Amino acid sequence: DGGITQSPKYLFRKEGQNVTLSCEQNLNHDAMYWYRQDPGQGLRLIYYSQIVNDFQKGDIAEGYSVSREKKESFPLTVTSAQKNPTAFYLCASAGGYGYTFGSGTRLTVV
Amino acid sequence: GNSVTQMEGPVTLSEEAFLTINCTYTATGYPSLFWYVQYPGEGLQLLLKATKADDKGSNKGFEATYRKETTSFHLEKGSVQVSDSAVYFCALSDDFIGGSNYKLTFGKGTLLTVNP
Repeated sequence: DGGITQSPKYLFRKEGQNVTLSCEQNLNHDAMYWYRQDPGQGLRLIYYSQIVNDFQKGDIAEGYSVSREKKESFPLTVTSAQKNPTAFYLCASAGGYGYTFGSGTRLTVV
Repeated sequence: GNSVTQMEGPVTLSEEAFLTINCTYTATGYPSLFWYVQYPGEGLQLLLKATKADDKGSNKGFEATYRKETTSFHLEKGSVQVSDSAVYFCALSDDFIGGSNYKLTFGKGTLLTVNP
C-alpha cells in the first residue's frame, strides 16, 4: 500500500545535539512538507519542497534544516539552534487534491 | 495573510448527540477548505473538503458547507459515536504552487470526546 513512513516514532535528544527525522513516501508525490504540532497551537509549517533538490522555508524554519535528494525522501534535521524542539513533528506529501500525512515523530529534549 | 479560527475545545458530548464545530477563515482569493481528523498518536487524515462557495463536503456522516458570505466552514454530524473522539482541524489553501501542490493553513484544532 502507498503511504508515508516517519521514523522513529519517539526520539529523545540531549541539549546541544542535532537529530534527524526520517520521512519516506511511495506515493510518487512531488511536494513534501514538514509541520510542527504543539498543544493548542495547531500545525505550523517548517519547510516544504515542490521538487527534488529544491525546498523553501515555511513559517518557523529557524533551527531546522532539510534536504531533498530523492523524490521519495525529505529528512528534517533539528539543530542545536532550535531553542524549544520538544514537539510532535508531522511529514506530509501532496498530489492530486489532498495531503497524505505520516504518523508523526514525537521529539523530546532530555 | 491567511488564518483559520476554530471554536476552542474541548467538546464533550454523549453518544448520539448532535455535533457542531465552528470554523471561520480569512483569506485572499477563493480558498479551498478542508476538515482533517487526528486520532491519538497518529497523523492527520482528510475528513472532507470543499473547493468553491456553496459546495458541501461530506464523509462518514460528517458535513460542512462552504459559506463565502460568512467566511465559514462549520463541521456537523447528526449523531456522534464514541469512535468519533479525536482532534478536528479546519484548514484552508489558496496557495497553488504549480499544479496540484499547495500549502495548507490550519486552525488550532478542537478536541472532541464522546462518552457512551
